[in-house]
Amino acid sequence: GESVGLHLPTLSVQEGDNSIINCAYSNSASDYFIWYKQESGKGPQFIIDIRSNMDKRQGQRVTVLLNKTVKHLSLQIAATQPGDSAVYFCAENPGYSSASKIIFGSGTRLSIRP
Amino acid sequence: DADVTQTPRNRITKTGKRIMLECSQTKGHDRMYWYRQDPGLGLRLIYYSFDVKDINKGEISDGYSVSRQAQAKFSLSLESAIPNQTALYFCATSMGMGSYNEQFFGPGTRLTVL
Repeated sequence: GESVGLHLPTLSVQEGDNSIINCAYSNSASDYFIWYKQESGKGPQFIIDIRSNMDKRQGQRVTVLLNKTVKHLSLQIAATQPGDSAVYFCAENPGYSSASKIIFGSGTRLSIRP
Repeated sequence: DADVTQTPRNRITKTGKRIMLECSQTKGHDRMYWYRQDPGLGLRLIYYSFDVKDINKGEISDGYSVSRQAQAKFSLSLESAIPNQTALYFCATSMGMGSYNEQFFGPGTRLTVL
């Protein structure tokens, strides 16, 4: 399953399939990007990050792809499980010097069909 | 994550009341943040502090104030609460070195202003 982030805030995926969550960012000066997972009733939890000098980074069952040309970020989750149900936020560091400020997108809700 | 705690977890108050939300962390991080989350939206930065003597306004600071009482404590105050401040509030922390730092979030405080 694939989403287009802000234009499709809900993504429904069959358990076991791969999920792709997309995010468009607007600031070409952004140099650091993060994906967060927020489960119901909890605070956001870090999943994976990527710096602007990379175009791909892999973690455990997750991969983040960065396309700076079109200012697009995606999160791929392999073999989606029921525990992956959550809202996923992309976030960007807008490149302010020595700042840890990040700007969050509006999120995509991932639901898993059994 | 018990490393970042927020009190209270839920609060209902009336318009015009003064409210303080507390955040404590045991991670030893220098940087602390307050965010607001509205339904269906991402997190927006209210205030942030890079150390005890440093306080900075975020994206939506109007109507809020903060106090960094110690490295481990960062409180958010609403001097005169209004209904449109009804939201979920998150505190976060990050390390002080470098620009690229994962933020660790507390469990959130749900505030309702009647």
